[in-house]
Amino acid sequence: EAGVAQSPRYKIIEKRQSVAFWCNPISGHATLYWYQQILGQGPKLLIQFQNNGVVDDSQLPKDRFSAERLKGVDSTLKIQPAKLEDSAVYLCASSPNSGVSGSPLHFGNGTRLTVT
Amino acid sequence: DQQVKQNSPSLSVQEGRISILNCDYTNSMFDYFLWYKKYPAEGPTFLISISSIKDKNEDGRFTVFLNKSAKHLSLHIVPSQPGDSAVYFCAASALGGGTSYGKLTFGQGTILTVHP
Repeated sequence: EAGVAQSPRYKIIEKRQSVAFWCNPISGHATLYWYQQILGQGPKLLIQFQNNGVVDDSQLPKDRFSAERLKGVDSTLKIQPAKLEDSAVYLCASSPNSGVSGSPLHFGNGTRLTVT
Repeated sequence: DQQVKQNSPSLSVQEGRISILNCDYTNSMFDYFLWYKKYPAEGPTFLISISSIKDKNEDGRFTVFLNKSAKHLSLHIVPSQPGDSAVYFCAASALGGGTSYGKLTFGQGTILTVHP
């Protein structure tokens, strides 16, 4: 079974620039998550999709962050404009369903973003 | 508001001995708890989980204990091996509809180092 694919692995941008991350979940997984992990902290949920609909985006800074999951498969997360505090690893995860509490998530290797 | 806390940033143990990683939570709605392991430059991988209806779950060298009255869980690794050296994250999930369904709240992580 192929894992969750993310690209790029690393990105360095200047503040106020824009950036986009891509994620392809495990085939057949209906639920897709984007997490932000700041150095020294645990991952924090940004947005959760069920198929191509948003389930939870309560912690997404909507003034600068946006995400979409067209056709219920792969997803993109965009930041525009970036701030210094957005420097973090952005992790994409998927699970077969969100109908079971605590369904183990399968994570990709993440994209490390550095904003200078 | 840190709902899941791992108060030990790091732990060092000798190969063959027991590793005990601790986690505390504050949200009484959490009903499912998971441990994830993370190697550098990789995404977290699921290790073991426990439902709130149990107080212990075992999987090979890994055992998770849950004390609901104390809102505390721990991960025991016996015997510890050098390959276990990684960051360990505790995570919790709450039952409920809508936005909380399937959402994981992570602790800050504990760096485990197992010396040969």
